[in-house]
Amino acid sequence: AQTVTQSQPEMSVQEAETVTLSCTYDTSESNYYLFWYKQPPSRQMILVIRQEAYKQQNATENRFSVNFQKAAKSFSLKISDSQLGDTAMYFCAFMNSGYSTLTFGKGTMLLVSP
Amino acid sequence: KAGVTQTPRYLIKTRGQQVTLSCSPISGHRSVSWYQQTPGQGLQFLFEYFSETQRNKGNFPGRFSGRQFSNSRSEMNVSTLELGDSALYLCASVAGQNTEAFFGQGTRLTVV
Repeated sequence: AQTVTQSQPEMSVQEAETVTLSCTYDTSESNYYLFWYKQPPSRQMILVIRQEAYKQQNATENRFSVNFQKAAKSFSLKISDSQLGDTAMYFCAFMNSGYSTLTFGKGTMLLVSP
Repeated sequence: KAGVTQTPRYLIKTRGQQVTLSCSPISGHRSVSWYQQTPGQGLQFLFEYFSETQRNKGNFPGRFSGRQFSNSRSEMNVSTLELGDSALYLCASVAGQNTEAFFGQGTRLTVV
């Protein structure tokens, strides 16, 4: 079974600054997918970024980028130029190749202040 | 394209009762998964349905069950409710394996 660990329950950052959220996972599989989801107070879970394990290149989506270290089983999310709207719970999630279901970490609550 | 729709948004039930939650996936998506979200346990996978068949199941007691209809709409049922079943129940629809899961806004169930 896979496990996903997010060691930072809460983080704070000021607007326009950069913040990095940590995630580690454990799996014996070689092919899998990793995701970061954002859940604002509205409860709507929204995909932030997706990474295929077989791709060495780190995924990037506008202000969001990941640092994927497959050997270390690490998948951190970097948010640049933080905005107030980035305030949310962020979940790291794992999906095995050939599956459609997710294993989530416990989440990191990110608060962006003015 | 309409998103994932979950009904109802809020529900209050009494211990011992049963409850049915509904999820309409994005049109064309055949896989529907259910997750339970609580402050203590986080997000836990309940089960997944694909083409009206349960394809995967999480580690929950038999009081939790589900089904999927021919139009891909899914329902989950919880019988003999316990206080610990109070949670946000999220439904996710997926177009295919290893693709993005789209989530509904959830049903907040409170058991009193």
